[in-house]
Amino acid sequence: QITLKESGPTLVKPTQTLTLTCTFSGFSLSSSDERVGWIRQPPGKALEWLALIYWNDDKLYSPSLKSRLTITKDTSKNQVVLTMTNVDPVDTATYYCLHHSPIDYWGQGTLVTVSS
Amino acid sequence: QTVVTQEPSLTVSPGGTVTLTCASSTGTVTSGYYPNWFQQKPGQVPRALIYSTYNKHSWTPARFSGSLLGDKAALTLSGVQPEDEAEYYCLLYYSGAWVFGGGTKLTVL
Repeated sequence: QITLKESGPTLVKPTQTLTLTCTFSGFSLSSSDERVGWIRQPPGKALEWLALIYWNDDKLYSPSLKSRLTITKDTSKNQVVLTMTNVDPVDTATYYCLHHSPIDYWGQGTLVTVSS
Repeated sequence: QTVVTQEPSLTVSPGGTVTLTCASSTGTVTSGYYPNWFQQKPGQVPRALIYSTYNKHSWTPARFSGSLLGDKAALTLSGVQPEDEAEYYCLLYYSGAWVFGGGTKLTVL
């Protein structure tokens, strides 16, 4: 049974760096073809794909956010970390991590508000 | 900037059939875009329905089917139920990134 859970700050100030952690169970990111990704959804708006990390440490990023995002994994802890630099109020959203091989299981999401 | 376009809204009667589509600004959507479809009800986490064009998850109701229709990816609901009222999102793969469509609000009326 695959589960994922996001954790991190609920409130971040503009220009700060946001760090979100996805802790998962039910699979191993050291296994071939496994992937974990991040998606966000601003309040009342559409889903936006952000980033993906592969079992072999390959990474994909949204072209529009690539300069601000970093995705890493800690296989021993079953965790994936997403870092977003220089946040702005438009980054206010619910952030989801998900099992991306294919996309099937989602975390519950975590609402991050960017405000001074 | 790649844009994925869906119908903003559609209305269907209970028991009817409706097709939602997913178009790419780059041209024809093929199986190489690995179309995915998701359902989201208000206040809920999105739920995966279809992956790689037509493959269903174990929880996907049989009335949902995915396909390629003309130059687009498509999600067809046959025998629509009231509980199918939701927002539906498609997701396409472009070499190096995935892109969501803007979503289709499906009303069952």
